[in-house]
Amino acid sequence: QVQLQESGPGLVKPSETLSLTCAVSGYSISDGYYWAWIRQPPGEGLEWIGSLYHGGNTCYNPSLKSRVSISVDTSRNQFSLRLSSVTAADRAVYYCARLWGGSSHVDYWGQGALVTVSS
Amino acid sequence: QSALTQPPSASGSPGQSVTISCTGTSSDVGGYDYVSWYQQHPGKAPKLLIYEVYKWSSGVPDRFSGSKSGNTASLTVSGLQAEDEADYYCSSYAGSNIVVFGGGTKLTVL
Repeated sequence: QVQLQESGPGLVKPSETLSLTCAVSGYSISDGYYWAWIRQPPGEGLEWIGSLYHGGNTCYNPSLKSRVSISVDTSRNQFSLRLSSVTAADRAVYYCARLWGGSSHVDYWGQGALVTVSS
Repeated sequence: QSALTQPPSASGSPGQSVTISCTGTSSDVGGYDYVSWYQQHPGKAPKLLIYEVYKWSSGVPDRFSGSKSGNTASLTVSGLQAEDEADYYCSSYAGSNIVVFGGGTKLTVL
């Protein structure tokens, strides 16, 4: 069974960088699929942040592209999100997920990690 | 990339059918048969219901069905049950490995 688990600080100061890691078990990241970060502000809808796919290639939401970086550590079977220059608008539950290339549907989700931006 | 448009709310009585729409453009919904639907209960991660417009995810009852016409996709929930009360989100492939979600629809079972 594929499982994903987000980890990282739950509180980030304004203008600093948000960093989260997603540990994957039950499947090797290097074997395929796309690996994504998706966020959801409290009481609001889902927003795709970006995806990581074969060879370490990445694709980002154009609205966040200048602030986002997704990377992979295949030795630890995990991937990470960095979002720079955060503001209160970045407060959200951040999900990591396994995404099918092409059809782009998500079949496995992490439980989510709430990140608050406050001084 | 703009979010796909969903009605904020929908409702129906137990046993009835409800349809939720998801409107995009020819660059996303209308351009690819890659629309998926998710169900999200409060405090939980979303759950995949439908992918590639009409295909059921494993274990999803056939009371849930998907379709598409032009730039609008639809999710129909037949034989409404109390446990169907949740938020529903559509998403679509938008080219160049970009994914776009809808704003979500809160389904109330009366």
